[in-house]
Amino acid sequence: AQSVTQPDIHITVSEGASLELRCNYSYGATPYLFWYVQSPGQGLQLLLKYFSGDTLVQGIKGFEAEFKRSQSSFNLRKPSVHWSDAAEYFCAVGTNNAGNMLTFGGGTRLMVKP
Amino acid sequence: KAGVTQTPRYLIKTRGQQVTLSCSPISGHRSVSWYQQTPGQGLQFLFEYFSETQRNKGNFPGRFSGRQFSNSRSEMNVSTLELGDSALYLCASSLRPNTDTQYFGPGTRLTVL
Repeated sequence: AQSVTQPDIHITVSEGASLELRCNYSYGATPYLFWYVQSPGQGLQLLLKYFSGDTLVQGIKGFEAEFKRSQSSFNLRKPSVHWSDAAEYFCAVGTNNAGNMLTFGGGTRLMVKP
Repeated sequence: KAGVTQTPRYLIKTRGQQVTLSCSPISGHRSVSWYQQTPGQGLQFLFEYFSETQRNKGNFPGRFSGRQFSNSRSEMNVSTLELGDSALYLCASSLRPNTDTQYFGPGTRLTVL
């Protein structure tokens, strides 16, 4: 069975600073990988996804992520954080034989200092 | 295009009662999945429906059930509620299964007293 680890429960960055959120997965074959963001009281919004092809994926709101098979990682990055990016971020993995079932990491709560 | 709609948004029930939650997918989407989100267990997959058929089921007791109607709307039911069932229940829809992009609704916040 697949699993996802987000090692950082909380991260605080200053506005304008760069951001990297870590995500490690465990799955025997090539996974489908996702990053979602959740603001308080809201559902999940898809930031970006990786199915195949180019390992550097561009998403919405200026986010990008890089799939590194050798490290089983799919880290999320943003060059300059805005105060509105404060939220909880979830990495998720899916497979090609489990329909739409996603396995989520525990989430990383991002706080942005002015 | 309207997003995924979940009703009700908030519910308060007592132990032993049952509850039904509703999800209306994005127009044209035929796949609906349900997730439970709690502070302790995080986001966990409950089940997935496509064309009125359950395709996958997560590791939850039989008290949790669901169904999908011909118009793709879905309901989930929890019987004999326990305190631990207090959670945010999220519904997601997509055009089809096999990890097509899923769009999540705002969730139903269930509190069991």
